[in-house]
Amino acid sequence: QVQLQESGPGLVKPSETLSLTCTVSGGSISNYYWTWIRQPPGKGLEWIGYVYYTGATDYNPSLKSRVTISVDTSKNQFSLKLNSVTAADTAVYYCAREGNGWYNHWGQGTLVTVSS
Amino acid sequence: DIVMTQSPDTLAVSLGERATINCKSSQTVLHSSSNRNFLAWYQQKPGQPPKLLIYWASTRESGVPDRFSGSGSGTDFTLTISSLQAEDVAVYYCQQYYGSRPWTFGQGTKVEI
Repeated sequence: QVQLQESGPGLVKPSETLSLTCTVSGGSISNYYWTWIRQPPGKGLEWIGYVYYTGATDYNPSLKSRVTISVDTSKNQFSLKLNSVTAADTAVYYCAREGNGWYNHWGQGTLVTVSS
Repeated sequence: DIVMTQSPDTLAVSLGERATINCKSSQTVLHSSSNRNFLAWYQQKPGQPPKLLIYWASTRESGVPDRFSGSGSGTDFTLTISSLQAEDVAVYYCQQYYGSRPWTFGQGTKVEI
């Protein structure tokens, strides 16, 4: 069974860069789209973007200027970088594997707080 | 972007009763050539990630109890819980995956007893 686990700092200062990694176990990272989705406290879900195992990416236009998602197939990991963060970027960040458009495998999520 | 609007925001249902959640998309998510609706439903319990319940608007994910069912086409969809159990208390989201990204979620419906 595929498992995903997010890792990274839980606290980031305003204007700095949020960096998270998702480690995939129980299956190969190949042949799938790997996605980051976030959820501000008490709010709904926002798609951030994806990386295909080839390295191809697509991002939410609302975040595109600040986001980079990359993949490391040798480590079965993919990563998220979000720069110039503000308090509005405080959220639980989930990594997920896309099926044919839906998300059938999720990490447990990691809370990232933006605060000085 | 396709906007997904769910109703109601909160739904109180007695144990054993039917729960009905609606989801409306700002444009069709029916793919004409495949005749498939590009819509999924998720359940999220506190402190947990969303769990996929239904895709293609009405196909139940493996292991999901058959009291959960999805229906609808085009722009209007419904998730029905036929007989609410205590473990079904959660927030439910619809998600469209039609056309180009970003694929978008509804704002969520909280189901309580």
